[in-house]
Amino acid sequence: GENVEQHPSTLSVQEGDSAVIKCTYSDSASNYFPWYKQELGKRPQLIIDIRSNVGEKKDQRIAVTLNKTAKHFSLHITETQPEDSAVYFCAETGNTPLVFGKGTRLSVIA
Amino acid sequence: NAGVTQTPKFRILKIGQSMTLQCTQDMNHNYMYWYRQDPGMGLKLIYYSVGAGITDKGEVPNGYNVSRSTTEDFPLRLELAAPSQTSVYFCASSYPTGGQSSYNSPLHFGNGTRLTVT
Repeated sequence: GENVEQHPSTLSVQEGDSAVIKCTYSDSASNYFPWYKQELGKRPQLIIDIRSNVGEKKDQRIAVTLNKTAKHFSLHITETQPEDSAVYFCAETGNTPLVFGKGTRLSVIA
Repeated sequence: NAGVTQTPKFRILKIGQSMTLQCTQDMNHNYMYWYRQDPGMGLKLIYYSVGAGITDKGEVPNGYNVSRSTTEDFPLRLELAAPSQTSVYFCASSYPTGGQSSYNSPLHFGNGTRLTVT
């Protein structure tokens, strides 16, 4: 990985609405795209990941989509709940260690 | 398994002091990493290691040193602490999949060390 841009930097949604976070990357060799959730004062924890041979992956209310042609991938959270409030980081790698985006602070308003 | 264990949890250093941040993992992971996280920012790679006796610089290695004498331990050394090194430091490990030099597997993070240099 070389560089990954993450948008938006902050996101507020009403409880029950969906949230979407998007990341773009530049390295065509990138083949692994994880998403981490970091609660305040805690360590980052993996919530979902996707590899380059797959276009979409779902795990309950969380899904990730990958568009290799456009070099972007997105995190989708449906039916948001207050406990989803945290900072979310995308990351990508090919032949080098993971490169992280700058994070998105998600606030779910009850 | 304890996973990745970091010590200390908190530390305050004076400018010019030295210290070692300890990191150990009990998952027999080959790959280990040190990241720093500044307030409101993402994680930046300081150093990493793909196995005992092998270390490499990451994006922000200046002011730090590492060693990897065993699979389990990957300490990070600050020789002359500077205010710019005030940060939260995370150690992580992973088990490579899909080839000899493969980084495409999940990172397991320690709980972090919060360092303040004044």
